[in-house]
Amino acid sequence: NAGVTQTPKFRILKIGQSMTLQCTQDMNHNYMYWYRQDPGMGLKLIYYSVGAGITDKGEVPNGYNVSRSTTEDFPLRLELAAPSQTSVYFCASSTSTYEQFFGPGTRLTVL
Amino acid sequence: DQQVKQNSPSLSVQEGRISILNCDYTNSMFDYFLWYKKYPAEGPTFLISISSIKDKNEDGRFTVFLNKSAKHLSLHIVPSQPGDSAVYFCAASGYGGSQGNLIFGKGTKLSVKP
Repeated sequence: NAGVTQTPKFRILKIGQSMTLQCTQDMNHNYMYWYRQDPGMGLKLIYYSVGAGITDKGEVPNGYNVSRSTTEDFPLRLELAAPSQTSVYFCASSTSTYEQFFGPGTRLTVL
Repeated sequence: DQQVKQNSPSLSVQEGRISILNCDYTNSMFDYFLWYKKYPAEGPTFLISISSIKDKNEDGRFTVFLNKSAKHLSLHIVPSQPGDSAVYFCAASGYGGSQGNLIFGKGTKLSVKP
């Protein structure tokens, strides 16, 4: 039982490039989330999903897209990367509305 | 406007003593509160939670107290151990009807000195 896995661990992008952050969970959780954490700040919700085929915006969705074709996977797509998207990205999943299980994070730098 | 506030960025405590981490919130719609612990280069891990219908929840060395009238909660760690050194995030849920959305504070970095 690996829990929530994220790839890659680190990535450096140039301005304008695009990339997909991968997230997979093996706990059969219906709920999945993407957060970003900027230095000295709390986690902010980017997008979330309550089940396969259903996604919705969180607090800071601009510049990102998501899809949820399976229960296990919830990739986050960055189009036209900008320096403001330099952050640590965390994926999480849960069965209930409350206790969430987090992956180890992806550290992204946009130069 | 921050809905969940952790006003102390850091806290240093001696091993064996009590650590008290504080959290304030502004939205009376919040009905569930959680504490997460985060080590460097790892994701946050769930520590303890409390429903708004309770004023205390205890789990081993960790106790969370909720004061709804003051919109304040606190996490007590007794006794503190060096392995407790981490960043602690307070989070709240229930606002806006969006299931599962947690609103996080900025975190408090706890250092427990041997």
